[in-house]
Amino acid sequence: QSVLTQPPSVSGAPGQRVTISCTGSSSNIGAVYDVHWYQQLPGTAPKLLIYGNNNRPSGVPDRFSGSKSGTSASLAITGLQAEDEADYYCQSYDSSLSAYVFGAGTKVTVL
Amino acid sequence: QVQLQESGPGLVRPSETLSLTCSVSGGSISGHYWSWVRQSPGKGLEWIGFIYDNGYTNYNPSLESRVTISVDTSKNQFSLEVRSVTAADTAVYYCARQPGYFDHWGQGTLVTVSS
Repeated sequence: QSVLTQPPSVSGAPGQRVTISCTGSSSNIGAVYDVHWYQQLPGTAPKLLIYGNNNRPSGVPDRFSGSKSGTSASLAITGLQAEDEADYYCQSYDSSLSAYVFGAGTKVTVL
Repeated sequence: QVQLQESGPGLVRPSETLSLTCSVSGGSISGHYWSWVRQSPGKGLEWIGFIYDNGYTNYNPSLESRVTISVDTSKNQFSLEVRSVTAADTAVYYCARQPGYFDHWGQGTLVTVSS
């Protein structure tokens, strides 16, 4: 069981906005540690989508945005496109476990 | 553009040692932290550990007793050993560059533990 909790799935129609939550605790997100997000298309390696809570690497569309508040973080996808159908993972560091940790992942389905 | 490529056996017998190598191209291995991450259906993504170019390592406490990561800067490679493997170690193993987050990943290699 992951220390970072994500919903198993979210869905939306093309053009809509969807959000994915990532809930942690005082030993990870609620501490000083940043949250990062990854997109994993079927059969491929994870790809960095958001780093440092709300920063996009070069080449990532501005339709993707991240935020962090308290012991939770969120990834928002606006203007949902068919190509956004993938698994999304949050990641942080946990001081109690002394390990970098991931959420269990959220499958985004474009209706 | 930094590229990473994992290599090693796809099948390992139970109780034996899993050994993988990650070759880094398009950039130097020096000056960065390099990690191994695995993904299995039962446990999702799991960070195994990282190494710096000077050989400094940090491991996930859940695996620390069975894992060794090493680096060969002359070959721009780093390696993973997991000892005494069981079926629970069956996973896709990724190597990645890690400045706190994982910004470059290899394509991953499936390792199956089975007799």
